[in-house]
Amino acid sequence: YELTQPPSVSVSPGQTATITCSGDRLQNYYVCWYQQKSGHSPVLVIYQDNKRPSGIPERFSGSNSGNTATLTISGTQAMDEADYHCQAWDSNTMTFGGGTKLTVL
Amino acid sequence: EVRLVESGGVVVEPGGSLRLSCGASGFTFNDYTMHWVRQVPGKGLEWVALISWDGGSIYYADSMKGRFIISRDNSRDSVYLQMNSVKNEDTAVYFCVRDPGYGSGTSPYFDLWGQGTLVSVSS
Repeated sequence: YELTQPPSVSVSPGQTATITCSGDRLQNYYVCWYQQKSGHSPVLVIYQDNKRPSGIPERFSGSNSGNTATLTISGTQAMDEADYHCQAWDSNTMTFGGGTKLTVL
Repeated sequence: EVRLVESGGVVVEPGGSLRLSCGASGFTFNDYTMHWVRQVPGKGLEWVALISWDGGSIYYADSMKGRFIISRDNSRDSVYLQMNSVKNEDTAVYFCVRDPGYGSGTSPYFDLWGQGTLVSVSS
């Protein structure tokens, strides 16, 4: 199974950032999203398509429909600059997308 | 404090073996499925293996099958990764991760990551 993410996304502070993750019939699987800042371990920001772990700001949201899952960051802040990785589980195998570098400029 | 701490990363020659360890603290270890995930510096994440709370379910990524062995010791709150016949392409940071999903009957997801341990395969 393959998950495809855009290598990079740019957004201005205060605007909405949208990061996509595409895969065949992806809506049939739960998708998670991880944020990884430079030099740090990943942090879970969305699980089961659209659930936020405790401590994750409300500006992070997720959706999954058709062949595409989307991570949306509303009112993007400079601290949100990071790599974002999507993930799905199918047939006892975990797949990650290639990661998207979010630049806030 | 809830944490995972990996150790055992070294420089190893191609064809060699090593064992990674991950110690858990601050939570009930045997309530959770555990995984190993790796990352080549500057690249994306790659799943390595899963082990259920009791070791009854074990799965590997295809490229690791037959070479890597995941295990756990709940009495020591630890999970391990035995890496055999290592290749240059196994060079990566290896993360130990906690999964509250698989054991609950849903898809795995990782709510706690260790800091990672670097494995370098080089002659």
